[in-house]
Amino acid sequence: GAVVSQHPSRVICKSGTSVKIECRSLDFQATTMFWYRQFPKQSLMLMATSNEGSKATYEQGVEKDKFLINHASLTLSTLTVTSAHPEDSSFYICSVAQGGPYGYTFGSGTRLTVV
Amino acid sequence: AQTVTQSQPEMSVQEAETVTLSCTYDTSESDYYLFWYKQPPSRQMILVIRQEAYKQQNATENRFSVNFQKAAKSFSLKISDSQLGDAAMYFCALLGRSGGSNYKLTFGKGTLLTVNP
Repeated sequence: GAVVSQHPSRVICKSGTSVKIECRSLDFQATTMFWYRQFPKQSLMLMATSNEGSKATYEQGVEKDKFLINHASLTLSTLTVTSAHPEDSSFYICSVAQGGPYGYTFGSGTRLTVV
Repeated sequence: AQTVTQSQPEMSVQEAETVTLSCTYDTSESDYYLFWYKQPPSRQMILVIRQEAYKQQNATENRFSVNFQKAAKSFSLKISDSQLGDAAMYFCALLGRSGGSNYKLTFGKGTLLTVNP
């Protein structure tokens, strides 16, 4: 499967600031990447689908202006949490879709803490 | 819409014993794929096993096997000879088009597996 690198693994930021999380597909040209959010002891919830060269598709209830997604190349997608607040504190995970039976390969996740 | 249900929030097993994790799903699509992912305390999602819906034969990966009952929309995971390293959260997931043109991966709520020495 694909190798996915996510950075940073942990970040602490002050309320009101913005934070950027990077997701890189190291050995696979990913036209589509996905961003998930996971609260403690809960499942992964899809936030948005990142499409290379076009606008991201957001799931219902996800604020587009707060969670900015950019997929400028086949190997990099970024998630920017703008004007972060404590309620945005969570674990964010990206994944690369290889399609069909290969499923998805996941990054190692980013733990965001907003203080 | 597609849904995945895991009815066992927690399970425990003795080391070297066998445990079965349950999963049911619902989808109106005929083309879909099923997965079990493992999430250890590191929180890295690791693919355990996958099953194509069009295949009748149950998938097997070493100590891990599935019981895929398509008519019943059931997809259980059996772990044989359980090891301490198997302790993790296990997520059942369905990859399907969910009525749209793009594939979407939907997760169950997970089952926390404890392995007792």
